[in-house]
Amino acid sequence: DARVTQTPRHKVTEMGQEVTMRCQPILGHNTVFWYRQTMMQGLELLAYFRNRAPLDDSGMPKDRFSAEMPDATLATLKIQPSEPRDSAVYFCASGLPPGSGYTFGSGTRLTVV
Amino acid sequence: AQSVTQLDSQVPVFEEAPVELRCNYSSSVSVYLFWYVQYPNQGLQLLLKYLSGSTLVESINGFEAEFNKSQTSFHLRKPSVHISDTAEYFCAVSPRTGANNLFFGTGTRLTVIP
Repeated sequence: DARVTQTPRHKVTEMGQEVTMRCQPILGHNTVFWYRQTMMQGLELLAYFRNRAPLDDSGMPKDRFSAEMPDATLATLKIQPSEPRDSAVYFCASGLPPGSGYTFGSGTRLTVV
Repeated sequence: AQSVTQLDSQVPVFEEAPVELRCNYSSSVSVYLFWYVQYPNQGLQLLLKYLSGSTLVESINGFEAEFNKSQTSFHLRKPSVHISDTAEYFCAVSPRTGANNLFFGTGTRLTVIP
């Protein structure tokens, strides 16, 4: 089965450090999402790309977060500088809308100490 | 705008008993409807989806959901649950036109008790 690959699976970093999370969407999928999941907030949409162009990043703290798709096989989410409140699981999902349902990766568990 | 409400944050149920997880949505446009399942320490997996046609949709592991347009609901049901069904279940909607974003509910934790 085709899958969305996220790296790293786990990341522990110190406050103030830069964090980069990577996502390889399924080949041929033209839509990519980044979500953040925490116990308190549940699933929050951070950014959303269609054909590599950002469509919506209103859920992302602009001062420290950035999301890009340098090519169709790679999406990145960066946090600089990281803060303890950024600790969460970050999921990437890809799909072919409309109605495809989207496929999620296994997530990156980020801990900022 | 779209919103999804999952009224039950936790549902405990005994093994082999039936279960219903409720989902109601609000949307100004027509939507597609989805249920996702998340097992501990894993990502979300698509369980089933309603796109069009029959309002009753089924998954391969015995779950079913029925789209009710008048009540704007998409409840998930299973007639007999197994221990392995213990997981978090998320209802989601996606507009049929425009951005096709995914809007999630807050999730329902299903715990199957032996």
